[in-house]
Amino acid sequence: EAQVTQNPRYLITVTGKKLTVTCSQNMNHEYMSWYRQDPGLGLRQIYYSMNVEVTDKGDVPEGYKVSRKEKRNFPLILESPSPNQTSLYFCASSVTWESLGYTFGSGTRLTVV
Amino acid sequence: QKEVEQDPGPLSVPEGAIVSLNCTYSNSAFQYFMWYRQYSRKGPELLMYTYSSGNKEDGRFTAQVDKSSKYISLFIRDSQPSDSATYLCAMSNSGANSKLTFGKGITLSVRP
Repeated sequence: EAQVTQNPRYLITVTGKKLTVTCSQNMNHEYMSWYRQDPGLGLRQIYYSMNVEVTDKGDVPEGYKVSRKEKRNFPLILESPSPNQTSLYFCASSVTWESLGYTFGSGTRLTVV
Repeated sequence: QKEVEQDPGPLSVPEGAIVSLNCTYSNSAFQYFMWYRQYSRKGPELLMYTYSSGNKEDGRFTAQVDKSSKYISLFIRDSQPSDSATYLCAMSNSGANSKLTFGKGITLSVRP
């Protein structure tokens, strides 16, 4: 089944403890992206990647890092999480950066206490 | 003025009703318009997309774009309880996912 898989689905952590949210797609998509979704603010893009080893900032990149060493994987790294990063995170992919329409993962609900 | 405005809702309708969901936007360069549907505890899924002005129909769903008014709509005919979800509009000026701008979403509930 073609899909974007995120792990974990739920995560509670403490301020300052480094964490990684994994994202993997099995569709050979070139383009991948991370979003966070917050009530009243909607979906906001954190980082995106047009292909392997090519990443760029979205609208809210502060406090996050990403890497794209392989086409299928696009992990989101929080080096020192803070409570304002408590959110619902989505990974998404599409065939190319020019293609319209993402395939989204099921989300990771992160709580930082 | 925000680039994309979407009625905040929530919206509750009886089964069988015609539903109209709307977004307005300020960036006249937007040319590609999409609607995503998001079920509870799931990621958004692409429902429909249109290019420039006009209508597009897919089963019970019709997407409408009026570029002169900077206004897009999604109509759902004969609404079903399974249509209960959050609907997000999204748009782009370049046809590139890297530049997609989303509305905040509206939650629709269809009562049996």
